[in-house]
Amino acid sequence: DTAVSQTPKYLVTQMGNDKSIKCEQNLGHDTMYWYKQDSKKFLKIMFSYNNKELIINETVPNRFSPKSPDKAHLNLHINSLELGDSAVYFCASSLSWGYIDGYTFGSGTRLTVV
Amino acid sequence: KNQVEQSPQSLIILEGKNCTLQCNYTVSPFSNLRWYKQDTGRGPVSLTIMTFSENTKSNGRYTATLDADTKQSSLHITASQLSDSASYICVVSPPKGGGADGLTFGKGTHLIIQP
Repeated sequence: DTAVSQTPKYLVTQMGNDKSIKCEQNLGHDTMYWYKQDSKKFLKIMFSYNNKELIINETVPNRFSPKSPDKAHLNLHINSLELGDSAVYFCASSLSWGYIDGYTFGSGTRLTVV
Repeated sequence: KNQVEQSPQSLIILEGKNCTLQCNYTVSPFSNLRWYKQDTGRGPVSLTIMTFSENTKSNGRYTATLDADTKQSSLHITASQLSDSASYICVVSPPKGGGADGLTFGKGTHLIIQP
């Protein structure tokens, strides 16, 4: 199936740990994104990334870093996890940056920091 | 600052009834507008997409309207079903330069359909 897939779906970890969330898309899209959805269900962009450019939302702590081994993958690495990092993280992809047609979301990773 | 405001914040209706969700935006210039449905525990899924020149777009029981002059959009759901219970998110795309993702998201309307 063509899709944006994320793993794991659920992640429970202790404060201070380092964790990664993986994302893969087989849609042939050029751009991938990471979003954070807090308890109020508001989606906030964290990063957008393609082979040429990384755009970082200035509010994202530098403990968060995207890593892209190739165009189809954009992983999210988080260092020194904090309680406030608990949220649902969504990966998305689009044909090109800001191109809303075909913009597709993954099913999310629920991160719980204890 | 580009904004997308949605109303109501939450809505409860009985199964079989119709409802209309509102989206007002200040994004300008404006490229296109999309409505997403997000089921609990799932990622947002696209319902409709409209360019600035389109007035209406339907997808089954979902009909979106757009008034680019007043910068308003609505999503009308006909003959609601229990499976329509979800959050509905309005997303506006400005020309390139609109931020880290080029999009502006509304905060969503949480819709609950009661039997």
